[in-house]
Amino acid sequence: GIQVEQSPPDLILQEGANSTLRCNFSDSVNNLQWFHQNPWGQLINLFYIPSGTKQNGRLSATTVATERYSLLYISSSQTTDSGVYFCAVPRGADGLTFGKGTHLIIQP
Amino acid sequence: GAVVSQHPSRVICKSGTSVKIECRSLDFQATTMFWYRQFPKKSLMLMATSNEGSKATYEQGVEKDKFLINHASLTLSTLTVTSAHPEDSSFYICSASSLAGVRTQYFGPGTRLLVL
Repeated sequence: GIQVEQSPPDLILQEGANSTLRCNFSDSVNNLQWFHQNPWGQLINLFYIPSGTKQNGRLSATTVATERYSLLYISSSQTTDSGVYFCAVPRGADGLTFGKGTHLIIQP
Repeated sequence: GAVVSQHPSRVICKSGTSVKIECRSLDFQATTMFWYRQFPKKSLMLMATSNEGSKATYEQGVEKDKFLINHASLTLSTLTVTSAHPEDSSFYICSASSLAGVRTQYFGPGTRLLVL
């Protein structure tokens, strides 16, 4: 099946810093989602981005489908941005294959 | 919109008992719901795909008789962990895919199961 790799696995930043998270996938996809899992375990949809660029406040994402990667940008980080960021792509009948995630810690 | 709830949020049970977890789509209809399992500090692993009115499709390695899934309506799917053992302790998360438009998945808040 399709492989999803995320980097870096861990990232520690000071408040106010910018960051770029990467997601590589091994095969063509027609869908890609970015999620933020908060400390309580809730998965929050950030972006549905099969291709192109989208922005939502301090977050933006870009997927280059032809090169099989997606990037998530976080600008002016806040402590509430801490958590695990996952990217996921479809597998089979709409189930998702998740990457292993990037564990982000924003220090005050 | 696109809210998915799960109940209970956490449950502790004794070995050998069965536990039922409910997943509901509150403001949309979902023909398909999914059940995932997440171990501490690990990624989510798809367990099964649940389609309304039909049998669930299980991923390889997931025991059908241990993890019973029922999808009786367009807004409710249940996962029953039968004869639970300590190794079944985990974080179980459901998601639902809306009927219309983009097939984005929306996730419930998860259920933490601890089997003693």
